[in-house]
Amino acid sequence: GQNIDQPTEMTATEGAIVQINCTYQTSGFNGLFWYQQHAGEAPTFLSYNVLDGLEEKGRFSSFLSRSKGYSYLLLKELQMKDSASYLCAVRGRAAGNKLTFGGGTRVLVKP
Amino acid sequence: DSGVTQTPKHLITATGQRVTLRCSPRSGDLSVYWYQQSLDQGLQFLIQYYNGEERAKGNILERFSAQQFPDLHSELNLSSLELGDSALYFCASSVQGQAGETQYFGPGTRLLVL
Repeated sequence: GQNIDQPTEMTATEGAIVQINCTYQTSGFNGLFWYQQHAGEAPTFLSYNVLDGLEEKGRFSSFLSRSKGYSYLLLKELQMKDSASYLCAVRGRAAGNKLTFGGGTRVLVKP
Repeated sequence: DSGVTQTPKHLITATGQRVTLRCSPRSGDLSVYWYQQSLDQGLQFLIQYYNGEERAKGNILERFSAQQFPDLHSELNLSSLELGDSALYFCASSVQGQAGETQYFGPGTRLLVL
């Protein structure tokens, strides 16, 4: 089975940086995704990591360490519109491409 | 806009009833996934189809069933509804259902069972 942990909630100031950590345990690892979800809306894709290291995409970066079962999502130059839930999802080596999602981290950006 | 469409957007029904949720994948995508999101459970994978065939099953109740049609749209049928089935139901699609592919989510159907 798979187990994914991420903090429930974080608060940060507009213009600042926030790092959302995700730790996972999985029987076979086959990729990690980060999604952003505004309340009541669909999750939207942010990043994908399958190899160790940092993936940078504009203001968002994601890091993976497979040996530690650890990832983080870094949000830079925070904007008010970044207030949302951030979902960490892990794909294991099971049939199909089942994604197991963490409970999500709700980020509140304050002025 | 992800290109995945879902209907209806909202559904209100009573316990014991049956409903059908519909999903059309992005153009060119062959694989469809269904997820349930409730306040206390987070986003839970239900089932995956690829080109009309069931590929993977998650925590889907026996009261729930799904299928993918030749035109690749998919339907999720929920029967003998209970209060606890109230949730957001998302459909996602990807090109071939392979590892490493991004899943793109539709806007969801909000189901309220009274």
